[in-house]
Amino acid sequence: DAGVIQSPRHEVTEMGQEVTLRCKPISGHDYLFWYRQTMMRGLELLIYFNNNVPIDDSGMPEDRFSAKMPNASFSTLKIQPSEPRDSAVYFCASSAGQYNEQFFGPGTRLTVL
Amino acid sequence: AQTVTQSQPEMSVQEAETVTLSCTYDTSESNYYLFWYKQPPSRQMILVIRQEAYKQQNATENRFSVNFQKAAKSFSLKISDSQLGDTAMYFCAFMKLEYQFYFGTGTSLTVIP
Repeated sequence: DAGVIQSPRHEVTEMGQEVTLRCKPISGHDYLFWYRQTMMRGLELLIYFNNNVPIDDSGMPEDRFSAKMPNASFSTLKIQPSEPRDSAVYFCASSAGQYNEQFFGPGTRLTVL
Repeated sequence: AQTVTQSQPEMSVQEAETVTLSCTYDTSESNYYLFWYKQPPSRQMILVIRQEAYKQQNATENRFSVNFQKAAKSFSLKISDSQLGDTAMYFCAFMKLEYQFYFGTGTSLTVIP
């Protein structure tokens, strides 16, 4: 098993541009989580899905952020327009069942200039 | 490659008792940071405690303390006087100085009244 796959690993963009982060969960996992890690705020849960359905998006900071999970093997986190304060490492994680082990992807380091 | 291992998927403890969650990691780095995060049923991540690898003294935060053994690459979390509110998933994390994070898969802790 390849584990949770995220792409790209690094993204550098200019303010105002659209950014799309991608995640492929572990096959068979029915929960998918998006987190953001910054030094100032630590690790924040942005949104999570169960069986492709968003369950809680209260952590999404603003309307500029949106997430989709069109099928069980793919999810995206989109920021439009991006701002410098969005610079962070974004993690995706998946689990089989509620409150079970979460397997984290390697993260996407986003830098918005 | 860096890896973080939490070998206890589930644990339980009686209220007011002490419990220790284990975490081991593998790295060739000499300078790094270690963290324990708590994820209660609300799903938001809460930083419990952090440890700088260059510090010999074990970090302590109220009822939470760590046993950091650098040579053994072990970073266990001890929770004293367990409370019902400590029921949560606990994640161990490792950070290299290039701000790359690696997470364990979590330990689900249940505090029994």
